[in-house]
Amino acid sequence: ELKVEQNPLFLSMQEGKNYTIYCNYSTTSDRLYWYRQDPGKSLESLFVLLSNGAVKQEGRLMASLDTKARLSTLHITAAVHDLSATYFCAVDALGQAGTALIFGKGTTLSVSS
Amino acid sequence: NAGVTQTPKFQVLKTGQSMTLQCAQDMNHEYMSWYRQDPGMGLRLIHYSVGAGITDQGEVPNGYNVSRSTTEDFPLRLLSAAPSQTSVYFCASSYSPGGPDTQYFGPGTRLTVL
Repeated sequence: ELKVEQNPLFLSMQEGKNYTIYCNYSTTSDRLYWYRQDPGKSLESLFVLLSNGAVKQEGRLMASLDTKARLSTLHITAAVHDLSATYFCAVDALGQAGTALIFGKGTTLSVSS
Repeated sequence: NAGVTQTPKFQVLKTGQSMTLQCAQDMNHEYMSWYRQDPGMGLRLIHYSVGAGITDQGEVPNGYNVSRSTTEDFPLRLLSAAPSQTSVYFCASSYSPGGPDTQYFGPGTRLTVL
């Protein structure tokens, strides 16, 4: 059974601090997806990591992928309140990339001053 | 482009009633999926389709049916609603040749079964 585990599930941060969200998965998939969800809203794609060693950055967020360790990280630099949201990682459920996804339970991030 | 659209946005059903959640996309995507989101559970895959006429089960398919007669539409049917099906339902689509590989999500349908 394909499993995706995120930790922590809840993260309370102070503005300006750094932190990392971890995503472990049990498949041999070489791609991983990160999404953001604001309360009451839909999911927004943040990153698609396509191969081992892939690193992508957007503003204060940086995601990386280690397929050998089956681990992806989402690093938050100098957190600001606008980053408060729930972050999900996901992997392909099937061999065909992007067909359907298996998600982690999400990490709810709260940034306060 | 409207992207992925879902109707209705909210629905209240009584136990045993049936209904269809509608999903449509105008991006010419081949792949479409249905997920349910429950507190603390993340999103769980219900059914998916890799093209018109082709569907398959995901993680939690029991109590739901799907069909895909056109590329654009992927309705989800609840045959006999149960309180355990109270959830937020998201439809997603992905893949067109040469396009990005991520899934695009609709706005969701919030379903309550009494």
